[in-house]
Amino acid sequence: EVVLTQSPGTLSLSLGERATLSCRASQSVSSSYLAWYQQKPGQAPRLLMYGASSRASGIPDRFSGSGSGTDFTLTISRLEPEDFAVYYCQQYGGSPYTFGQGTKLEIK
Amino acid sequence: QVQLVQSGAEVTKPGASVKVSCKASGYTFTDYYIHWVRQAPGQGLEWMGWIHPNSGGTVYAQKFQGGVTMTRDTSISTAYMELSRLRSDDTAIYYCARVSWRGPFDYWGQGTLVTVSS
Repeated sequence: EVVLTQSPGTLSLSLGERATLSCRASQSVSSSYLAWYQQKPGQAPRLLMYGASSRASGIPDRFSGSGSGTDFTLTISRLEPEDFAVYYCQQYGGSPYTFGQGTKLEIK
Repeated sequence: QVQLVQSGAEVTKPGASVKVSCKASGYTFTDYYIHWVRQAPGQGLEWMGWIHPNSGGTVYAQKFQGGVTMTRDTSISTAYMELSRLRSDDTAIYYCARVSWRGPFDYWGQGTLVTVSS
């Protein structure tokens, strides 16, 4: 089973700042089958990125993803009010499909 | 537009079973997998398994084998997840999600809160 470890657990930033979220896998994630999801309170997760660096439909270009193998990063270039949420990485290269424990992005 | 609409909240007792439905619309139901994910209160996301509506084939996470059953009714584009022998730590929001072959979870249901309490 691929264990995903996200850091930091909580990230406190101000509007307009740059956010960098990390996701480290216990073993290589095949063909960059790595996704990022955003979840706001009381809502279902929403797909942000897939294939490590491809934005899902309707996702603004201030969101970007990078990485390969075991180290992946989600970057939000300039934080908007609606970006404060919990972010999860996930590997979907094969069963079991595992998620990281999440990074909470909060307003400083 | 693609929609996954889940059944309403359930309150049930330890040892009982619960069955959650997930009705799909806006796409060809049999072309995509349906995965189930749960989230305990204040916790992260936990993958439970998938069903392919075309074949009915299933794969369950090891933790849930023997306790979960995923089925579907293609005539009404609906997938079901039944969890048996419930315990208090099964209290969670249960989500269904649409997934293409080797793809991410691109559409999610709104979630169904299952509360297990004596």
